[in-house]
Amino acid sequence: GAGVSQSPRYKVAKRGQDVALRCDPISGHVSLFWYQQALGQGPEFLTYFQNEAQLDKSGLPSDRFFAERPEGSVSTLKIQRTQQEDSAVYLCASSFDSPDGYTFGSGTRLTVV
Amino acid sequence: RKEVEQDPGPFNVPEGATVAFNCTYSNSASQSFFWYRQDCRKEPKLLMSVYSSGNEDGRFTAQLNRASQYISLLIRDSKLSDSATYLCVVNRDDKIIFGKGTRLHILP
Repeated sequence: GAGVSQSPRYKVAKRGQDVALRCDPISGHVSLFWYQQALGQGPEFLTYFQNEAQLDKSGLPSDRFFAERPEGSVSTLKIQRTQQEDSAVYLCASSFDSPDGYTFGSGTRLTVV
Repeated sequence: RKEVEQDPGPFNVPEGATVAFNCTYSNSASQSFFWYRQDCRKEPKLLMSVYSSGNEDGRFTAQLNRASQYISLLIRDSKLSDSATYLCVVNRDDKIIFGKGTRLHILP
């Protein structure tokens, strides 16, 4: 596609429910990043893939968060047993090979009730 | 202390005025630097890269001071459409780190 596509656009989850957020990067983009943005804050780094390899997951806030990119294209961010503090916009970005080329998706707005 | 620090604002500036934002970063290993713009409920979009020599793109001028670990953005002749949040961004170890953002409101 022409841009980074994220789905769903909005997700309401009951506390304790598991959720899966999808990111479809720009075709051919090697690098893929997940960020979490709480209201009024800047995006916070979660994890980074280069092709299918997860090179950095230091930003994942707990072991309830898990990300994968099994074929080096589409990525899924999974949050188990969601908590209210997980409510945020989850942004995905992809890049060919340099930070100048980062393109963000529109994000998934997760609300945990 | 956050790795990238910005004044959150808001900056309320009359249309046509000049406004400047500053940003500091704490990790001297940071390799490259950017300003992103984020409109309300939208994703961040790259505004411009920042170089030590300074760079200009129309009404926007960015400057990097590596010795002081300081980045700036200057907007001249501000327009209503410049109202947004401006995010200072550094690249370190192949990942980009965002500041909290500075909110700018241009007043008619």
